[in-house]
Amino acid sequence: DTAVSQTPKYLVTQMGNDKSIKCEQNLGHDTMYWYKQDSKKFLKIMFSYNNKELIINETVPNRFSPKSPDKAHLNLHINSLELGDSAVYFCASSQPGSSIQYFGAGTRLSVL
Amino acid sequence: EDKVVQSPLSLVVHEGDTVTLNCSYEVTNFRSLLWYKQEKKAPTFLFMLTSSGIEKKSGRLSSILDKKELFSILNITATQTGDSAVYLCAVNYGGSQGNLIFGKGTKLSVKP
Repeated sequence: DTAVSQTPKYLVTQMGNDKSIKCEQNLGHDTMYWYKQDSKKFLKIMFSYNNKELIINETVPNRFSPKSPDKAHLNLHINSLELGDSAVYFCASSQPGSSIQYFGAGTRLSVL
Repeated sequence: EDKVVQSPLSLVVHEGDTVTLNCSYEVTNFRSLLWYKQEKKAPTFLFMLTSSGIEKKSGRLSSILDKKELFSILNITATQTGDSAVYLCAVNYGGSQGNLIFGKGTKLSVKP
């Protein structure tokens, strides 16, 4: 009964490949997020999305794109992976207007 | 530029000690401040603070916000080894989707 679930937990791939990370929440929340946590444990917002609005952090390369097939899912697609993309990626969700976000367990991406 | 600064970055104590973790912030359009605990995986929600001077308490953990001086503290009394984690402070800086900006965290290690 995991509230926010991500797959896969680990992803090892070569530079230049394209990969996707999936996120699903069963909390009935309207807003979902993607965060990147680097090796120094710094958690930084990449995207926030509800069915009306996508807000992109301007520092995120356009190789990253969120895709939402429905309200409960927000997947992250990454094209032409680079070494610097290696990090842990967290998905989160929240109720509209609520500050409290609930996080998934993270996906550790290693680009070789 | 909006920012959240936590101190200390790391802390080692012995079981039974009391610790105080600090979080200061500079953001436009402050809405709330949140504390999360991150062990090996997902950050888990601890407290949300919106008003100055009102202490939030849960067991041995407590937190308070000072909106005039722009900081919050998280206190843990009678620490246990299970309290070992990274404690993250985040500020909701407004906007329609309640985005959070995180500090770099305080890594707490509690030794037996």
